[in-house]
Amino acid sequence: DAGVIQSPRHEVTEMGQEVTLRCKPISGHNSLFWYRQTMMRGLELLIYFNNNVPIDDSGMPEDRFSAKMPNASFSTLKIQPSEPRDSAVYFCASSSLLDAQGTDTQYFGPGTRLTVL
Amino acid sequence: GDSVTQMEGPVTLSEEACLTINCTYTATGYPSLFWYVQYPGEGLQLLLKATKADDKGSNKGFEATYRKETTSFHLEKGSVQVSDSAVYFCALSDQPFYFGTGTSLTVIP
Repeated sequence: DAGVIQSPRHEVTEMGQEVTLRCKPISGHNSLFWYRQTMMRGLELLIYFNNNVPIDDSGMPEDRFSAKMPNASFSTLKIQPSEPRDSAVYFCASSSLLDAQGTDTQYFGPGTRLTVL
Repeated sequence: GDSVTQMEGPVTLSEEACLTINCTYTATGYPSLFWYVQYPGEGLQLLLKATKADDKGSNKGFEATYRKETTSFHLEKGSVQVSDSAVYFCALSDQPFYFGTGTSLTVIP
């Protein structure tokens, strides 16, 4: 299996521009997670989906952030407009949903390093 | 609610020293417990896991035992190598996953 695929691996953009990060989960996994990692705040869960449905987006910092999962093999995280404080590494992870109480091992992608100038 | 608390870092050890990184958890149910490792410039990857009380997870010389009585899942290795330098995260599976804050380990020759 190719693992979780994220694109782009690096993104440099200017403040105010729209940024779209992409994720392809492992085939057969039905849970997908978006995380943000910074030195200051560590690893933060932004949003997660079960069976393509957003379950909890309380970690999304503000309305400038949005995420979609149109099908089981693709998800996007969009920032519009971007700001310098959005600079971070964004990870996508996928797993199998075991039952209503838990999920199996999460598998992480390599991340997208976003720099907003 | 569920939570994970792990030992603050950073930790610096000499090669071949013993390692223990403490992790304790709070959970209402019976979650699985995990240790993840993150090498510089990479994503998190599973190191080991345990799915029920008294289970021992092991991989690459690392071990951790799921202790229900002490609500702990401490990571141990008898002899660390320079290549073990990384950030280690304790995690608990629930809805959603709960990750600890990470412990940075540097092993010097």
